[in-house]
Amino acid sequence: DTEVTQTPKHLVMGMTNKKSLKCEQHMGHRAMYWYKQKAKKPPELMFVYSYEKLSINESVPSRFSPECPNSSLLNLHLHALQPEDSALYLCASSQGVFINEQFFGPGTRLTVL
Amino acid sequence: GENVEQHPSTLSVQEGDSAVIKCTYSDSASNYFPWYKQELGKRPQLIIDIRSNVGEKKDQRIAVTLNKTAKHFSLHITETQPEDSAVYFCAAPGGGADGLTFGKGTHLIIQP
Repeated sequence: DTEVTQTPKHLVMGMTNKKSLKCEQHMGHRAMYWYKQKAKKPPELMFVYSYEKLSINESVPSRFSPECPNSSLLNLHLHALQPEDSALYLCASSQGVFINEQFFGPGTRLTVL
Repeated sequence: GENVEQHPSTLSVQEGDSAVIKCTYSDSASNYFPWYKQELGKRPQLIIDIRSNVGEKKDQRIAVTLNKTAKHFSLHITETQPEDSAVYFCAAPGGGADGLTFGKGTHLIIQP
């Protein structure tokens, strides 16, 4: 399996809802990432997990809570989001954090009402 | 942190002509420079990358050049085809070698 998968593909939620985004890879990669991409903008780094430990948190609001249950899975828990959080959320993985290709999943299109 | 500048923001070329997209970076410790292609509604796809110990890399119609002294790298696409139309992003990891910082993107339009 040479792909990064993400579920769900689309998610619509209210500002009081709690939801989770899921990401999975079976390439044996040890680094996983969450990026946020607004329309017509580049992806922006949110979190980096290296060997299942959070190594980077790019000053992301606490309403976004990442979790890495094991080396193949990455979750992003969402709570009390704002309409401006609507975006495409991309997961990526790489063999390690140093000088390695990052492969992206298809993304979850999130709409916050 | 790393700062990546990308130009132009839009590039329109005739089918069969060449296209060049340029990026500069700020962190001299950066040592890996990927290029991603993103079609509308799809994920970014890695199309070519270059490491700091190499000045140029080619893969069929695509090439990337790197000038570490000037801190800039460029994507060259020759014999452009309609399927090359997309948004192209350059990126760099910064000295911490963690997540990528992306340029703002270039919308490449191939005119028939």
